[in-house]
Amino acid sequence: GNSVTQMEGPVTLSEEAFLTINCTYTATGYPSLFWYVQYPGEGLQLLLKATKADDKGSNKGFEATYRKETTSFHLEKGSVQVSDSAVYFCALSSIGNQFYFGTGTSLTVIP
Amino acid sequence: NAGVTQTPKFQVLKTGQSMTLQCAQDMNHEYMSWYRQDPGMGLRLIHYSVGAGITDQGEVPNGYNVSRSTTEDFPLRLLSAAPSQTSVYFCASSRERPNYGYTFGSGTRLTVV
Repeated sequence: GNSVTQMEGPVTLSEEAFLTINCTYTATGYPSLFWYVQYPGEGLQLLLKATKADDKGSNKGFEATYRKETTSFHLEKGSVQVSDSAVYFCALSSIGNQFYFGTGTSLTVIP
Repeated sequence: NAGVTQTPKFQVLKTGQSMTLQCAQDMNHEYMSWYRQDPGMGLRLIHYSVGAGITDQGEVPNGYNVSRSTTEDFPLRLLSAAPSQTSVYFCASSRERPNYGYTFGSGTRLTVV
């Protein structure tokens, strides 16, 4: 079946630190992969996506590369800011209009 | 502003009561879904629709009904509320298929006592 596994949180970093949030997936066929971000009290917002192997999605300084050989889509940012504090969700969409989310990773950035 | 609008934002129900969570989008998106978000479990799909008049079940459909009479609206009905339905509910829409990425509403926090 299809599933997404994210690293456990919460993650606490100092401002300007490097961020990696691991995400691996199991899927049939060739899924599209996404990262969503949820700020406190809000809905999820699409952060970036990649639709085929070796694609790199990027937005707001965040990047993730679709690695088919390792079935991974790790989220990275070179220098986090306090405003990046949020919950980050990895997700995949597969054939059949199904969308699968990871459990989310909470990030807190301290000044 | 264009987007997905959910009402109400907060609701407290007694066990056994019924209610409808409203969801409307003004982006002419064909694809709409309802998710529930519970601590440690991420988001789980309740029901989805690929267009007006077409709905299907997701991962956790029991206790919920949906209908899609127009492209814009996709209400979620709780038939007889149970404490296990205490959750945050999100409606989301997408152009054609979710590969394009979802637009989410701001959520409804439901407590069943």
